[in-house]
Amino acid sequence: QSALAQPASVSESPGQSITISCTGTSSDVGYYNSVSWYQQHPGKAPKLMIYDVSNRPSGVSNRFSGSKSGNTASLTISGLQAEDEADYYCSSYRSSTTLFGGGTKLTVL
Amino acid sequence: QLQLQASGPGLVKPSETLSLTCTVSGGSITSNNYYWGWIRQPPGKGLEWIGSIYYSGSPYYNPSLKSRVTISVDTSKNQFSLKLTSVTAADTAVYYCARGDGYSQFDYWGQGTLVTVSS
Repeated sequence: QSALAQPASVSESPGQSITISCTGTSSDVGYYNSVSWYQQHPGKAPKLMIYDVSNRPSGVSNRFSGSKSGNTASLTISGLQAEDEADYYCSSYRSSTTLFGGGTKLTVL
Repeated sequence: QLQLQASGPGLVKPSETLSLTCTVSGGSITSNNYYWGWIRQPPGKGLEWIGSIYYSGSPYYNPSLKSRVTISVDTSKNQFSLKLTSVTAADTAVYYCARGDGYSQFDYWGQGTLVTVSS
C-alpha cells in the first residue's frame, strides 16, 4: 500500500479536462510545499511535470497545472490530447524521506 | 544537456548484493543544491524512492530499505552508486538514477536498468 493515495485509473475524452488527486497526511502533503507530479509512458523513465505543488518545469505544457488543499494535492490536465495517455505519479517530501503515490493510469478515450 | 546513465549487472542471485553505478554527463555531480537519487519500479508496479545523497553530505534512505542500502558518490568519476544487500525476488525492478533538489523532486532521470533477482 502506497503512502500517498491516488485513484488507480481515470478516463476522459480528448479536449476535456481531468483532475487526479493525491492524498497524504499532515506530515507530508499537508506540511510541505514539495509536492511533485510525474508522467510516465510505457517503457520510459518518469518525466517531471509539476514541482513545488504548482510550478511547471521549462518545456512542460501549460495544460498541466497543480494545486493543493490541506492534505490533498491535485494535478489538472486541460484540453486532453492522445499523447497525455500515461501513468501519473505524485510525490511528496516528508522529513528526510520521499513518498510516491501508487500511480494513476490516464486513458484518453 | 545533463544525462544520467545507470549501469550494472542485470541478474543477481538471491542473498547477494545488487550494485549499480550512475554516470552523470553534461554537468557536474558537485553542482550546488542538487541531490542524486535512486528510485526503483517493480514490473507493473509503482515507483519507490530508495535514497538520495548530496555530493558532500550524508545519504538519506527509505526507512523500509535502510538496513540494506548504501549510496555513495565518487566525485572524481562524476558517478554515484547504489548497493543493496541480501536481495530477494522482491527486489526485482527497473532501477532509475535521477537528479533532484533538496526535497527529492527529480528533474533529470536516467533511462533505467532492469535488475532481476533469480538463481
